Amino acid sequence: GAVVSQHPSRVICKSGTSVKIECRSLDFQATTMFWYRQFPKQSLMLMATSNEGSKATYEQGVEKDKFLINHASLTLSTLTVTSAHPEDSSFYICSARIGNDPQGNTIYFGEGSWLTVV
Amino acid sequence: AQKVTQAQTEISVVEKEDVTLDCVYETRDTTYYLFWYKQPPSGELVFLIRRNSFDEQNEISGRYSWNFQKSTSSFNFTITASQVVDSAVYFCALKGSGTYKYIFGTGTRLKVLA
Repeated sequence: GAVVSQHPSRVICKSGTSVKIECRSLDFQATTMFWYRQFPKQSLMLMATSNEGSKATYEQGVEKDKFLINHASLTLSTLTVTSAHPEDSSFYICSARIGNDPQGNTIYFGEGSWLTVV
Repeated sequence: AQKVTQAQTEISVVEKEDVTLDCVYETRDTTYYLFWYKQPPSGELVFLIRRNSFDEQNEISGRYSWNFQKSTSSFNFTITASQVVDSAVYFCALKGSGTYKYIFGTGTRLKVLA
């Protein structure tokens, strides 16, 4: 199946600093990528949808200035958590839709990134 | 509104037992898609199956089988002869037509004991 890779898998940062998480589609072009957040033992919450070359669409309640999303190419989307605080500690997982998939309805997930803000 | 309900929070079975994970969905769309994903302790989400609303044929893949019933809005997942490696959180998800937004259930944590 399609491969989506995230980096880093785990990151610890100090409160007040910014941290960037990368999401890459390794063997396909992803016109649309999605960023989810998952709190421990909870379901996935969609944060935003990013389309290559345009601004991301954020879900209600997600601060766009805090969670900066950039989708500069068909294989890379980045999530930057700015001025991180301990409450931002969470599991962040990206997913991608294949751009030329005739089915067009299955998304593939990255391995996820554990963020701990101390 | 769209909604996915996984009423079973956690299930424990002994190895080799069969286990069924329930998924009930709500949608007003006539065309929609249902999914199951597996999330092992490492965290990544592994795609298991996708089912279109117009295809109610049940599917079997090895020890996995899925029962899709539109009449009861259910898309249940059965693991036959469970193994310890099946231990994970399983998520059911729904996607309506005209959107790429997935609605996830709260997940069912399956523990298979040796």
